[in-house]
Parts: sequence; C-alpha cells; structure tokens
Amino acid sequence: AQTVTQSQPEMSVQEAETVTLSCTYDTSENNYYLFWYKQPPSRQMILVIRQEAYKQQNATENRFSVNFQKAAKSFSLKISDSQLGDTAMYFCAFMTPFTGNQFYFGTGTSLTVIP
Amino acid sequence: DVKVTQSSRYLVKRTGEKVFLECVQDMDHENMFWYRQDPGLGLRLIYFSYDVKMKEKGDIPEGYSVSREKKERFSLILESASTNQTSMYLCASSPGQGKNDEQYFGPGTRLTVT
Repeated sequence: AQTVTQSQPEMSVQEAETVTLSCTYDTSENNYYLFWYKQPPSRQMILVIRQEAYKQQNATENRFSVNFQKAAKSFSLKISDSQLGDTAMYFCAFMTPFTGNQFYFGTGTSLTVIP
Repeated sequence: DVKVTQSSRYLVKRTGEKVFLECVQDMDHENMFWYRQDPGLGLRLIYFSYDVKMKEKGDIPEGYSVSREKKERFSLILESASTNQTSMYLCASSPGQGKNDEQYFGPGTRLTVT
C-alpha cells in the first residue's frame, strides 16, 4: 500500500523568509513520481513541482525546490522569498504507474505568509 | 491550457435526493478522477476512469456511482444524498499512462446536504 504523510497541519512564515514543508511516503515500488500541489483559498488546485524517483537531482521551479531523499522516503518542499500569494493549502502526492497512475495525497499543510 | 470545469461551484441538496456532479475536460485526457476533500483528511479518491465506459473504485466508493459515456465528461452520482456526503468534491484529469501524468483539477463543487 502507498501512503503519504504530512505531519504539519499548519505553518506560518514571514514574508520574504524561507519555509520548508515536510512530506514522507511509503511504498515498495521503485518507479514513481512525487508532486506538490498548491490550493489557494477558494481557488483551483495547481501543480507546484514534480520529481521523478529515478532522478537524483532535486527539482526546482523558481522559488520552489524540493529535497528528495529516496532512501529515507522523504520529499520536502522549500519555498524561498515567501510571498503573500504563497498562502495556500499544500498537498504532497505520490503516483506510481503500477497502480494505474492513481494519486495518493497527504492530508495537507496550511501555509500562511505573514506580511 | 488544460481546462477542467465542474457544473456547479456550490450546491445545496436535501437528504435522499439524487445528485449529479458533472466534470468536463477539454484536452482529450484518458484518465479522469473524482475526489472528496475534507479538513484533516486531504483528498480521498472516490472513483476513477481510464477510458470511456470504464470505471474503477477508489478508496471510498460507497454511496457513489459514476458515468463516463464520453471521453471528455465524467459524472459523479449520489444515488440518495446523506448529510455525511456534505463535502468539497474535486474532479481531475490526466493524459494517460506513458505520458506526463500530472493531474489537472477543476475548481471544485462544495456540496451541502441538509
């Protein structure tokens, strides 16, 4: 069974500071993908960043980067230079082709950026 | 841009009513998904579909059914709505196996059952 755990239900960060959101997962598969999705208040869920498990290099997208530790099954999201628009619920997700591309989501972390 | 639309943003229904939630995607995606989102529980998969007329149960299918008669449309049906089905419902689609399988989400339908 695949499980995704986000142990931080709520976090806050000062504007312009850096924050790291944690995610761990459990799987016996070797081929899989990891994602971070962002859901702003009352707005649509959008993809922030994705990581292929076979790639050792950590993915980056502008101010967003991940720390992917495959052996530890850890996939944290770092947001640098936090902006007010980063206030949102963040979901970590796992997908493997061996379960039909089904996604498994964590319970989410609500991030508030404080001006 | 991929667009996933849902028929209603807000819906209020009475206990025992039959409820239809519609989802349409415009990118010829093979896979479509229905989730419900509840505080502290994240997203839980109700049903998904790989192709027209195909459906697979997710983690919480009880009390729900689905229909996919056309590739672009995936409907979620609550046969007899109950108060414990009050929730946010999210539809998503993805291209299909072997392709970029990022899921694209609709805006959600907040359903209240009274």
